[in-house]
Parts: sequence; C-alpha cells; structure tokens
Amino acid sequence: GDSVTQTEGQVALSEEDFLTIHCNYSASGYPALFWYVQYPGEGPQFLFRASRDKEKGSSRGFEATYDKGTTSFHLRKASVQESDSAVYYCALEGSSGSWQLIFGSGTQLTVMP
Amino acid sequence: GALVYQYPRRTICKSGTSMRMECQAVGFQATSVAWYRQSPQKTFELIALSTVNSAIKYEQNFTQEKFPISHPNLSFSSMTVLNAYLEDRGLYLCGARQGPNTEVFFGKGTRLTVV
Repeated sequence: GDSVTQTEGQVALSEEDFLTIHCNYSASGYPALFWYVQYPGEGPQFLFRASRDKEKGSSRGFEATYDKGTTSFHLRKASVQESDSAVYYCALEGSSGSWQLIFGSGTQLTVMP
Repeated sequence: GALVYQYPRRTICKSGTSMRMECQAVGFQATSVAWYRQSPQKTFELIALSTVNSAIKYEQNFTQEKFPISHPNLSFSSMTVLNAYLEDRGLYLCGARQGPNTEVFFGKGTRLTVV
C-alpha cells in the first residue's frame, strides 16, 4: 500500500541554520504530496502541496520540490527561527480514490535561540 | 478564511461511557470530512471518511458500531465514541476539504481521556 517515510524523528538546530527534513514516498502514479506543521495542542496546519513532478510548493519560507525520480518531497528552509519549533508531517493523498491523507511519522524540529 | 472548529477541545469520560465530538467548517463547504485519531506516539489513524451524498467509509479496525458519524450538511459533522476504553485515548482530528485536489483543513482536535 501507499506509504510515507520520514527518516528524522528529531532535528535540533540553532536559529538561522539551514533545515532539511527528508520525506520519501511509495505510491503509484503521481500522488499529491503535502507538508503539515503541528504545534503543541493544535491540529495539523497545512503548509503547502504539490502534485506534479518538479512542482515546488512553498509557504512561510519553507519549500519542497516534488521529485518523481527519487520519490521524494524534502522540506527545506534556508534560515530557521525559534518559532519554527514544531512537528512537521509529510503526507500523501492515497491512490485509492478516497482522498485519505497518509501521514509520515513526523519530525520534531527544535530550534534553539 | 477557511477554518475548522472542533469541540469540545478536551474531554474526560469514565471507562465504558460514550462521548460525542463535533466538527464545523467555516468559510467553505466541506463536501468531505475525515476523522483521524492521533495516538500519544503522534501517529495518525484514519477512522472514517464521510462525503456528502455518499456512504461513510470506515477504515479497518474502526466500525460504525463503535464510532458512529453524522454528516448532515456541508458544514457540520459529528462522531461519537461509544463505550470508550483506555485504548480509545488520543487526539481526535477532523479534516475537511471542499473537493478533490483542494487542501485539507484540520481542526485543533478533541483530546479524549478515559479514566
């Protein structure tokens, strides 16, 4: 079945560091890919999505490029801030036709001042 | 803007009792609503997908008998957890979207504690 893999469970950075959170997917065709961010006590917030090879999604300084060849959608930010500390989830839209979102395991980002 | 409200935000119920949670879409018409449970380990489980004018589709390990859902119109959905036990604890999230290829908006969730 379709799946999403996030290899980093936790990432610790200092302010102004460069961020990369890896996301790889397994699915047929061109599933829509998403990034969500979740703050403590909140539901996931939509960051952006992409649905075509080489399409770049971006929001709030974060970006990711859909790469069909490597089945990846890595999240990057050039300069993180303490306020970016949160859990980040990569997700794909299932190919079963039911539009369910399949989430990765999440990556806890902690940014120290 | 588009928002999804969930209430209550948190609830405590005694083991074996039931509780109802609600989800309201504001600023858009929610043609599809999905209910998820996020475990303490932060993983997401899809409970069911509800699309207006279609039958509600439950995922494996979740049943209508345990998690009945009502989706009467384009802005409101409710789900009940019947006979709640410890394994039902978690953050219940409602995700709504206006249609295919649109973003999914989530509420802040209802945190269920069972004692």
